[in-house]
Amino acid sequence: GNSVTQMEGPVTLSEEAFLTINCTYTATGYPSLFWYVQYPGEGLQLLLKATKADDKGSNKGFEATYRKETTSFHLEKGSVQVSDSAVYFCALSDQAGTALIFGKGTTLSVSS
Amino acid sequence: GAVVSQHPSWVICKSGTSVKIECRSLDFQATTMFWYRQFPKQSLMLMATSNEGSKATYEQGVEKDKFLINHASLTLSTLTVTSAHPEDSSFYICSARDLTSGSGSEQFFGPGTRLTVL
Repeated sequence: GNSVTQMEGPVTLSEEAFLTINCTYTATGYPSLFWYVQYPGEGLQLLLKATKADDKGSNKGFEATYRKETTSFHLEKGSVQVSDSAVYFCALSDQAGTALIFGKGTTLSVSS
Repeated sequence: GAVVSQHPSWVICKSGTSVKIECRSLDFQATTMFWYRQFPKQSLMLMATSNEGSKATYEQGVEKDKFLINHASLTLSTLTVTSAHPEDSSFYICSARDLTSGSGSEQFFGPGTRLTVL
């Protein structure tokens, strides 16, 4: 079945450091891929998405590229801020209208 | 973006009682709602999918008689945990989508409900 594997945290960085959170997936066909962020005390928010191979999703300085050859969708940011501290979830949807399959989440903590 | 609310945000109940959690789409019509369960330091696990006006579709291993889902209107879905026990303690999250809008496959998530069963 479909699944998502993302690196376990917590990830602890200093402000302005480079961030990478790895995410790989297993799916049949061509799923859509997502990164969601959950700030403390809040619901999940869509951070970015990509719907086909080689697409790059980007938002708020974060980027992720849909790599079908490596079945990956790694999240990157060149310079993190304290306000980026949150839990990040990688997810996939195998077709429009279906539920999301989530990775376990990675907690990011950024200190000043 | 679209807003989804959940009520209550947290609830503590005694073992054997039933608890109802509401999920509302505030500014759009939710043709489909999803209920997830999240254990500490674990991922969100899909419990069921509900479409307005029809019976919910439960994932394998989820007891439909224990977790009653009703999606009677386009803006409200409810999850009732019947005869709750301590092992039902968890964080319950709903999401909603409107397939008739241009948002397509995007889901909008509620803030979650923390259930603690004593």
